[in-house]
Amino acid sequence: AQTVTQSQPEMSVQEAETVTLSCTYDTSENNYYLFWYKQPPSRQMILVIRQEAYKQQNATENRFSVNFQKAAKSFSLKISDSQLGDTAMYFCAFMKYGGSQGNLIFGKGTKLSVKP
Amino acid sequence: DVKVTQSSRYLVKRTGEKVFLECVQDMDHENMFWYRQDPGLGLRLIYFSYDVKMKEKGDIPEGYSVSREKKERFSLILESASTNQTSMYLCASSPSGAGTFGEQYFGPGTRLTVT
Repeated sequence: AQTVTQSQPEMSVQEAETVTLSCTYDTSENNYYLFWYKQPPSRQMILVIRQEAYKQQNATENRFSVNFQKAAKSFSLKISDSQLGDTAMYFCAFMKYGGSQGNLIFGKGTKLSVKP
Repeated sequence: DVKVTQSSRYLVKRTGEKVFLECVQDMDHENMFWYRQDPGLGLRLIYFSYDVKMKEKGDIPEGYSVSREKKERFSLILESASTNQTSMYLCASSPSGAGTFGEQYFGPGTRLTVT
Protein backbone atom coordinates (compact mmCIF):
# COMPACT_ATOMS: atom_id res chain seq x y z
CA ALA A 1 0.00 0.00 0.00
CA GLN A 2 1.12 3.51 -0.75
CA THR A 3 1.78 5.98 2.04
CA VAL A 4 2.49 9.70 2.07
CA THR A 5 4.44 11.31 4.90
CA GLN A 6 4.71 14.99 5.72
CA SER A 7 7.19 15.28 8.55
CA GLN A 8 6.58 18.95 9.37
CA PRO A 9 3.24 19.47 11.12
CA GLU A 10 3.77 23.23 11.31
CA MET A 11 6.09 25.76 9.72
CA SER A 12 6.38 29.49 9.61
CA VAL A 13 8.11 31.91 7.26
CA GLN A 14 8.53 35.64 6.99
CA GLU A 15 6.75 37.42 4.21
CA ALA A 16 8.84 37.62 1.00
CA GLU A 17 11.12 34.75 2.06
CA THR A 18 11.31 31.26 0.59
CA VAL A 19 10.06 28.14 2.34
CA THR A 20 10.23 24.45 1.47
CA LEU A 21 7.66 21.89 2.60
CA SER A 22 8.74 18.26 2.68
CA CYS A 23 6.91 15.18 1.49
CA THR A 24 8.05 11.60 1.13
CA TYR A 25 6.07 8.68 -0.17
CA ASP A 26 6.35 4.95 -0.35
CA THR A 27 5.30 2.98 -3.40
CA SER A 28 6.38 0.10 -5.57
CA GLU A 29 4.74 1.68 -8.60
CA ASN A 30 6.81 3.17 -11.39
CA ASN A 31 4.17 5.42 -12.92
CA TYR A 32 2.21 7.75 -10.71
CA TYR A 33 1.21 11.34 -10.02
CA LEU A 34 2.07 13.61 -7.13
CA PHE A 35 0.20 16.69 -6.01
CA TRP A 36 0.26 19.56 -3.59
CA TYR A 37 -3.08 20.86 -2.39
CA LYS A 38 -3.60 24.06 -0.40
CA GLN A 39 -6.39 24.66 2.14
CA PRO A 40 -6.55 28.30 3.30
CA PRO A 41 -8.27 28.99 6.63
CA SER A 42 -12.05 28.60 6.24
CA ARG A 43 -11.71 28.32 2.48
CA GLN A 44 -11.89 25.57 -0.07
CA MET A 45 -8.99 23.27 -0.82
CA ILE A 46 -7.40 23.87 -4.19
CA LEU A 47 -4.83 22.12 -6.31
CA VAL A 48 -1.51 23.97 -6.34
CA ILE A 49 0.72 21.83 -8.50
CA ARG A 50 0.89 18.40 -10.11
CA GLN A 51 3.84 16.23 -11.19
CA GLU A 52 3.85 13.14 -13.37
CA ALA A 53 6.48 10.66 -12.25
CA TYR A 54 7.66 9.94 -15.79
CA LYS A 55 8.60 13.59 -16.29
CA GLN A 56 12.08 14.44 -15.12
CA GLN A 57 11.45 18.17 -15.26
CA ASN A 58 10.15 19.63 -12.03
CA ALA A 59 6.74 21.27 -12.25
CA THR A 60 6.38 24.99 -11.59
CA GLU A 61 3.37 27.26 -11.17
CA ASN A 62 4.34 30.89 -10.69
CA ARG A 63 5.91 31.14 -7.20
CA PHE A 64 5.35 27.44 -6.50
CA SER A 65 7.81 24.79 -7.64
CA VAL A 66 8.60 21.23 -6.70
CA ASN A 67 11.76 19.24 -6.21
CA PHE A 68 10.89 15.74 -7.36
CA GLN A 69 13.47 13.11 -6.50
CA LYS A 70 12.06 9.83 -7.78
CA ALA A 71 14.81 7.56 -6.48
CA ALA A 72 14.55 9.08 -3.03
CA LYS A 73 10.73 9.14 -3.22
CA SER A 74 10.75 12.75 -2.21
CA PHE A 75 8.46 15.53 -3.43
CA SER A 76 9.04 18.88 -1.75
CA LEU A 77 7.20 22.14 -2.43
CA LYS A 78 9.09 25.41 -2.60
CA ILE A 79 7.21 28.66 -2.19
CA SER A 80 9.19 31.69 -3.28
CA ASP A 81 8.47 35.28 -2.23
CA SER A 82 5.96 34.09 0.39
CA GLN A 83 2.81 36.13 0.71
CA LEU A 84 0.31 36.42 3.56
CA GLY A 85 -2.22 34.66 1.35
CA ASP A 86 0.00 31.58 1.31
CA THR A 87 -0.97 30.91 4.93
CA ALA A 88 -2.76 27.55 4.73
CA MET A 89 -2.64 23.84 5.33
CA TYR A 90 -0.69 22.13 2.58
CA PHE A 91 -1.34 18.52 1.70
CA CYS A 92 0.88 16.30 -0.39
CA ALA A 93 -0.97 13.59 -2.31
CA PHE A 94 -0.18 10.51 -4.42
CA MET A 95 -2.11 8.64 -7.08
CA LYS A 96 -0.87 5.68 -9.07
CA TYR A 97 -1.20 5.82 -12.82
CA GLY A 98 -4.25 4.06 -14.18
CA GLY A 99 -5.64 3.44 -10.76
CA SER A 100 -9.08 4.19 -9.49
CA GLN A 101 -9.97 7.85 -9.15
CA GLY A 102 -10.69 7.07 -5.53
CA ASN A 103 -7.08 6.24 -4.82
CA LEU A 104 -5.78 9.74 -4.14
CA ILE A 105 -3.78 9.30 -0.96
CA PHE A 106 -3.15 12.37 1.18
CA GLY A 107 -0.49 13.11 3.73
CA LYS A 108 -1.49 14.53 7.09
CA GLY A 109 -0.67 18.08 6.13
CA THR A 110 1.69 20.89 7.04
CA LYS A 111 0.30 24.08 8.51
CA LEU A 112 2.18 27.04 7.06
CA SER A 113 2.01 30.47 8.61
CA VAL A 114 3.38 33.45 6.73
CA LYS A 115 4.26 36.27 9.10
CA PRO A 116 4.34 39.96 8.17
CA ASP B 1 -14.77 27.88 -12.65
CA VAL B 2 -15.80 24.60 -11.14
CA LYS B 3 -18.14 25.06 -8.28
CA VAL B 4 -18.76 22.47 -5.61
CA THR B 5 -21.29 23.41 -2.99
CA GLN B 6 -22.27 21.71 0.23
CA SER B 7 -25.65 22.14 1.85
CA SER B 8 -24.42 23.38 5.22
CA ARG B 9 -21.22 24.92 6.61
CA TYR B 10 -22.10 24.00 10.18
CA LEU B 11 -24.43 21.32 11.48
CA VAL B 12 -25.26 20.16 15.01
CA LYS B 13 -27.06 16.86 15.45
CA ARG B 14 -27.92 14.58 18.32
CA THR B 15 -26.65 11.06 18.81
CA GLY B 16 -28.81 8.55 16.96
CA GLU B 17 -30.19 11.02 14.43
CA LYS B 18 -30.07 10.28 10.71
CA VAL B 19 -27.98 12.95 9.03
CA PHE B 20 -27.87 13.94 5.37
CA LEU B 21 -25.00 15.91 3.88
CA GLU B 22 -25.58 17.14 0.36
CA CYS B 23 -23.04 18.05 -2.30
CA VAL B 24 -23.65 19.52 -5.73
CA GLN B 25 -21.19 20.21 -8.53
CA ASP B 26 -21.87 22.19 -11.67
CA MET B 27 -19.16 20.98 -14.05
CA ASP B 28 -20.61 17.68 -15.24
CA HIS B 29 -17.86 15.71 -13.49
CA GLU B 30 -18.13 11.95 -13.50
CA ASN B 31 -16.44 11.40 -10.16
CA MET B 32 -17.52 12.60 -6.75
CA PHE B 33 -16.00 11.99 -3.33
CA TRP B 34 -16.71 12.31 0.36
CA TYR B 35 -13.79 12.79 2.73
CA ARG B 36 -13.52 13.22 6.42
CA GLN B 37 -10.88 15.63 7.73
CA ASP B 38 -9.62 15.41 11.32
CA PRO B 39 -6.65 17.23 12.86
CA GLY B 40 -3.48 15.19 12.62
CA LEU B 41 -5.13 12.58 10.41
CA GLY B 42 -5.38 14.45 7.13
CA LEU B 43 -8.12 13.52 4.66
CA ARG B 44 -9.62 10.07 4.69
CA LEU B 45 -11.88 8.84 1.92
CA ILE B 46 -15.30 7.63 3.02
CA TYR B 47 -16.93 6.82 -0.34
CA PHE B 48 -16.63 7.83 -3.92
CA SER B 49 -18.82 7.53 -6.97
CA TYR B 50 -17.65 7.25 -10.57
CA ASP B 51 -21.08 7.37 -12.17
CA VAL B 52 -24.73 7.78 -11.34
CA LYS B 53 -25.86 5.02 -8.96
CA MET B 54 -22.30 3.68 -8.79
CA LYS B 55 -20.23 3.84 -5.63
CA GLU B 56 -17.15 2.39 -4.05
CA LYS B 57 -16.09 2.22 -0.44
CA GLY B 58 -13.13 4.25 0.65
CA ASP B 59 -10.94 3.77 3.68
CA ILE B 60 -13.53 4.44 6.39
CA PRO B 61 -17.06 3.59 5.14
CA GLU B 62 -18.36 2.15 8.41
CA GLY B 63 -21.36 4.08 9.73
CA TYR B 64 -21.89 5.91 6.43
CA SER B 65 -23.79 5.37 3.22
CA VAL B 66 -24.07 7.41 0.04
CA SER B 67 -26.52 8.12 -2.71
CA ARG B 68 -26.00 9.41 -6.23
CA GLU B 69 -29.25 9.58 -8.14
CA LYS B 70 -28.18 12.43 -10.40
CA LYS B 71 -24.77 13.17 -11.87
CA GLU B 72 -24.41 16.53 -10.16
CA ARG B 73 -25.45 15.47 -6.67
CA PHE B 74 -23.78 13.17 -4.15
CA SER B 75 -25.21 12.67 -0.70
CA LEU B 76 -23.55 11.33 2.41
CA ILE B 77 -25.81 9.69 4.97
CA LEU B 78 -25.01 8.98 8.59
CA GLU B 79 -27.56 6.31 9.44
CA SER B 80 -27.32 6.83 13.20
CA ALA B 81 -25.00 9.65 14.15
CA SER B 82 -22.48 9.04 16.88
CA THR B 83 -20.14 11.40 18.71
CA ASN B 84 -17.10 9.90 16.98
CA GLN B 85 -18.51 11.16 13.70
CA THR B 86 -17.99 14.74 14.81
CA SER B 87 -15.68 16.04 12.09
CA MET B 88 -15.20 18.21 9.01
CA TYR B 89 -16.70 16.60 5.93
CA LEU B 90 -15.37 17.57 2.51
CA CYS B 91 -17.00 16.83 -0.80
CA ALA B 92 -15.00 16.86 -4.03
CA SER B 93 -15.52 16.18 -7.70
CA SER B 94 -13.22 15.40 -10.59
CA PRO B 95 -13.44 14.79 -14.31
CA SER B 96 -12.30 11.55 -15.87
CA GLY B 97 -9.41 11.38 -18.26
CA ALA B 98 -5.70 10.68 -18.07
CA GLY B 99 -4.83 14.33 -18.18
CA THR B 100 -6.81 15.08 -15.06
CA PHE B 101 -5.95 12.21 -12.74
CA GLY B 102 -5.99 13.36 -9.16
CA GLU B 103 -7.29 16.84 -9.92
CA GLN B 104 -10.11 17.17 -7.48
CA TYR B 105 -12.27 20.21 -6.83
CA PHE B 106 -13.41 20.63 -3.28
CA GLY B 107 -16.42 22.13 -1.61
CA PRO B 108 -16.15 24.43 1.43
CA GLY B 109 -16.78 21.64 3.91
CA THR B 110 -19.44 20.88 6.51
CA ARG B 111 -18.39 20.95 10.13
CA LEU B 112 -20.63 18.42 11.84
CA THR B 113 -20.95 18.23 15.60
CA VAL B 114 -22.78 15.28 17.13
CA THR B 115 -23.80 15.77 20.74
